[in-house]
Amino acid sequence: EPEVTQTPSHQVTQMGQEVILRCVPISNHLYFYWYRQILGQKVEFLVSFYNNEISEKSEIFDDQFSVERPDGSNFTLKIRSTKLEDSAMYFCATSPLAGGTGELFFGEGSRLTVL
Amino acid sequence: GENVEQHPSTLSVQEGDSAVIKCTYSDSASNYFPWYKQELGKRPQLIIDIRSNVGEKKDQRIAVTLNKTAKHFSLHITETQPEDSAVYFCAATINNNDMRFGAGTRLTVKP
Repeated sequence: EPEVTQTPSHQVTQMGQEVILRCVPISNHLYFYWYRQILGQKVEFLVSFYNNEISEKSEIFDDQFSVERPDGSNFTLKIRSTKLEDSAMYFCATSPLAGGTGELFFGEGSRLTVL
Repeated sequence: GENVEQHPSTLSVQEGDSAVIKCTYSDSASNYFPWYKQELGKRPQLIIDIRSNVGEKKDQRIAVTLNKTAKHFSLHITETQPEDSAVYFCAATINNNDMRFGAGTRLTVKP
């Protein structure tokens, strides 16, 4: 069964450093998402991406965050200058349908620890 | 934006009993309501979903009910087993383009 894959599984970084999290969507999926989950808390929406542009973003997704699909396969989340409060599990999710109408398939997550 | 409220935050039941988790949403245009199960350290996985054109859906021990008028939906797990222990998240659509999650319910099934 095809899966969403994410790398790295765990990254430790110093505050102020840039981080790039990578996701390989399921091949026929068109809608891509990043969610964040701080330990023990809810899954929080960050951004949705379709047709090579951002469709929606939450108030969490400020100027420090960006997404792109540089090579037609990877879908990346970049955090320009990490803060302590960015420590969380970041989940990529993809869907063959607009996110409001179909199942989201989640990757295993990338755990980011900011020191 | 969409506000999805989920209750209770924790739920403990005896093996074999039923468990019910409830969610409310604010956007009357929402039309897709999935439930995800997340085991410790794992990704959320879809267990059941319902669309706004039906009021109830059942899959073996799991059922979901939807009341569009009241804007609430519920997850029902019957004959609970220890392996049902996990965090359960409800979700609802906003803007027909993305999905927002409830705060989660930590279900513990005691053997």
